[in-house]
Amino acid sequence: DQQVKQNSPSLSVQEGRISILNCDYTNSMFDYFLWYKKYPAEGPTFLISISSIKDKNEDGRFTVFLNKSAKHLSLHIVPSQPGDSAVYFCAADITQGGSEKLVFGKGTKLTVNP
Amino acid sequence: NAGVTQTPKFRVLKTGQSMTLLCAQDMNHEYMYWYRQDPGMGLRLIHYSVGEGTTAKGEVPDGYNVSRLKKQNFLLGLESAAPSQTSVYFCASRTPGRASYEQYFGPGTRLTVT
Repeated sequence: DQQVKQNSPSLSVQEGRISILNCDYTNSMFDYFLWYKKYPAEGPTFLISISSIKDKNEDGRFTVFLNKSAKHLSLHIVPSQPGDSAVYFCAADITQGGSEKLVFGKGTKLTVNP
Repeated sequence: NAGVTQTPKFRVLKTGQSMTLLCAQDMNHEYMYWYRQDPGMGLRLIHYSVGEGTTAKGEVPDGYNVSRLKKQNFLLGLESAAPSQTSVYFCASRTPGRASYEQYFGPGTRLTVT
């Protein structure tokens, strides 16, 4: 049972336009959400996060929106740049039995065309 | 700071062979994690540790063992490798608690089992 879903395996946008990556989750116990970016042959790197008590968090060109009632979050990149081309993973934090773990989606491959 | 390092970067094993992957972090993090990434599957948690001398099973623990003898090191062992264990393995670490949810990832180990 997939608790964090990224239903779009890939997304292609033009440089300068907005990229919107979507993520849905099923577990209402998730209390913190993160986006990671991954380039080929490298480890994932943290991009931006949002607490479940907020509905928006912004960091430069990156904004994450959270809709708790819909169990949906999205990452907006504006304006998109060719260097943003990577795989983006949505992740949700859950605390169980005194430990904290992340549950990842399958990722969305973003391609930004010059 | 080197952050999170993984040894080796690449390895080819024959079915039935054993090996150990080493993860080291110099950030004094309590929590450490081992993930595997397969095409179209995202990152799946194998085992994790919430402190020196402790380990716990994640989502896909079968066929793997781990040890955390020192706080800065987390070892992942394959006792009898199988082709299904061909994957890219990532180690991550973080500090516990609500101050930061971010996990820091290593560069990965690409393992092929023939």
